[in-house]
Amino acid sequence: AQTVTQSQPEMSVQEAETVTLSCTYDTSESNYYLFWYKQPPSRQMILVIRQEAYKQQNATENRFSVNFQKAAKSFSLKISDSQLGDTAMYFCAFVNAGGTSYGKLTFGQGTILTVHP
Amino acid sequence: DTGVSQNPRHKITKRGQNVTFRCDPISEHNRLYWYRQTLGQGPEFLTYFQNEAQLEKSRLLSDRFSAERPKGSFSTLEIQRTEQGDSAMYLCASSLSILSGSYNEQFFGPGTRLTVL
Repeated sequence: AQTVTQSQPEMSVQEAETVTLSCTYDTSESNYYLFWYKQPPSRQMILVIRQEAYKQQNATENRFSVNFQKAAKSFSLKISDSQLGDTAMYFCAFVNAGGTSYGKLTFGQGTILTVHP
Repeated sequence: DTGVSQNPRHKITKRGQNVTFRCDPISEHNRLYWYRQTLGQGPEFLTYFQNEAQLEKSRLLSDRFSAERPKGSFSTLEIQRTEQGDSAMYLCASSLSILSGSYNEQFFGPGTRLTVL
């Protein structure tokens, strides 16, 4: 079974600054995907960024980038130039892509990020 | 709006009552997932459908829970004899079919928040 751990229950950052959210995972699978999802207060979950395990290059989406360390099973999210709209709960998630995968996501406990003006 | 919709958005019920939630996925998506999210935690997988077939159920899905997707379009999740421990946000997500080794993004609905008094 896969597990995803987010050790930072809450983080805060000043507007325009950079913040990094941590995530570690455990799996015996070789073909998988990792994700960061954003869940704003009272709004639905949206995908921020994804990383394929077979790709060595770290994924980047505008102000969002990841640091994927496969051997260490670490997957952190860096948010640059933080904006007030980035305030949300952030979830790290894993999906096994191999074999009889059904695409079910395994989520971490979440990190509440607050961006202060 | 062509996103995933869920109804009702909020449900308050008394312990012992039955409740039913509905999820309407994105129209061309043949995979549909149900997750449960308790306060301050990440979503946990409950069950998923490929078209009308329910292909996997989590151990979290006790006998009091039943899910259907009768025509491969919308899905319902029913909880019988609700308990206070059932209080949670119930999330629905949909995606296109997944080829082994790949992954198609799951799009989440806004959720149904259940409160059992």
